[in-house]
Amino acid sequence: EAQVTQNPRYLITVTGKKLTVTCSQNMNHEYMSWYRQDPGLGLRQIYYSMNVEVTDKGDVPEGYKVSRKEKRNFPLILESPSPNQTSLYFCASSLRRGEAFFGQGTRLTVV
Amino acid sequence: AQKITQTQPGMFVQEKEAVTLDCTYDTSDPSYGLFWYKQPSSGEMIFLIYQGSYDQQNATEGRYSLNFQKARKSANLVISASQLGDSAMYFCAMREGTRYGGSQGNLIFGKGTKLSVKP
Repeated sequence: EAQVTQNPRYLITVTGKKLTVTCSQNMNHEYMSWYRQDPGLGLRQIYYSMNVEVTDKGDVPEGYKVSRKEKRNFPLILESPSPNQTSLYFCASSLRRGEAFFGQGTRLTVV
Repeated sequence: AQKITQTQPGMFVQEKEAVTLDCTYDTSDPSYGLFWYKQPSSGEMIFLIYQGSYDQQNATEGRYSLNFQKARKSANLVISASQLGDSAMYFCAMREGTRYGGSQGNLIFGKGTKLSVKP
């Protein structure tokens, strides 16, 4: 089944404790991206990647890191999480054209 | 400036009636794609419909149709015969530079419209 898999689905952590949210897709898509969703703000792009070893900042990259060592994986790293990074996170993948396929989302709470 | 504007934060519709969700966009790129996604309360993002800027006809997918007015830069979603299961957040999104696949494929979202279907 074609899918984008994010883990974990839910995470509560403390300020400053490094964490990684994993994302994997099985559709051989070139393009992957991370979004955060906050009430009233819609989805805002954090980082995106056009292919292996090619990444770039989206609209809200501060406090986040990504890597794209393999085509299927695109982890999101929070080196030192803060409460303002409490949000719903989505990973998405697509070809250059066509719709984006989204993961199930990761609800992150930083206390 | 916002690239995707959804002016209706919330809307109500009676079951079995049609509803239009508004979306306007801003781009100077002649090649772009417009998308609508549905997000039910469970949280997942569900792709509904796509319209390319060079498409001659309005896109349709079952009960969903896209009222594409290029000159006005609007891409409204029309849901016919609303069902209770249509209650959800709806997001309009745009990707620029789609014709030849040369863009970075950046998908830009509006802030969403929350649709509530009344029985």
